[in-house]
Amino acid sequence: GQNIDQPTEMTATEGAIVQINCTYQTSGFNGLFWYQQHAGEAPTFLSYNVLDGLEEKGRFSSFLSRSKGYSYLLLKELQMKDSASYLCAVRDPGGYQKVTFGTGTKLQVIP
Amino acid sequence: DAEITQSPRHKITETGRQVTLACHQTWNHNNMFWYRQDLGHGLRLIHYSYGVQDTNKGEVSDGYSVSRSNTEDLPLTLESAASSQTSVYFCASSESAGGPDEQFFGPGTRLTVL
Repeated sequence: GQNIDQPTEMTATEGAIVQINCTYQTSGFNGLFWYQQHAGEAPTFLSYNVLDGLEEKGRFSSFLSRSKGYSYLLLKELQMKDSASYLCAVRDPGGYQKVTFGTGTKLQVIP
Repeated sequence: DAEITQSPRHKITETGRQVTLACHQTWNHNNMFWYRQDLGHGLRLIHYSYGVQDTNKGEVSDGYSVSRSNTEDLPLTLESAASSQTSVYFCASSESAGGPDEQFFGPGTRLTVL
């Protein structure tokens, strides 16, 4: 099975940088996703890591260390619209498409 | 544009009634998923399908069923609704192209069981 841990809540200031951590224990590894979910809305895909290292996409970057079972999502130049929940998810091993989601980190951006 | 839709968006029902939530996608994705989302639990997988006539149980499948008769639709049925099934339900789909194959989510259905 999969066990995924994320902080429940975080607060950061507009314009700052925030790092949201995710640790996982799995029986195998086949990729890690980050999704963003605004209150009352559906999750939307942000990033995907399958190899170690940093993936950058504009203001958002995601890092993976498979040996440590660790990932983080880095948000730069925070904007008020970044206030949302950020969900870490790990795909099942063996080439299957289903994923297991963490409980999510609710980020509040304050002026 | 391709999309994934859910209906109804809001539903109130009574304990013991059968309820069916619809999910329709025009992405032509083989993979479809049903989740429920509750405070403190995040997204939990109910059932999933990797293609027509294929269905599989997720971690919280008791009291729910699905059927996949075509590529586009995966309806979720609550056989006899219980108050513990009050939740927000999300449907999602993905392809199997060898890349990220991220899931695309529908807008959700808020179900209240009284």
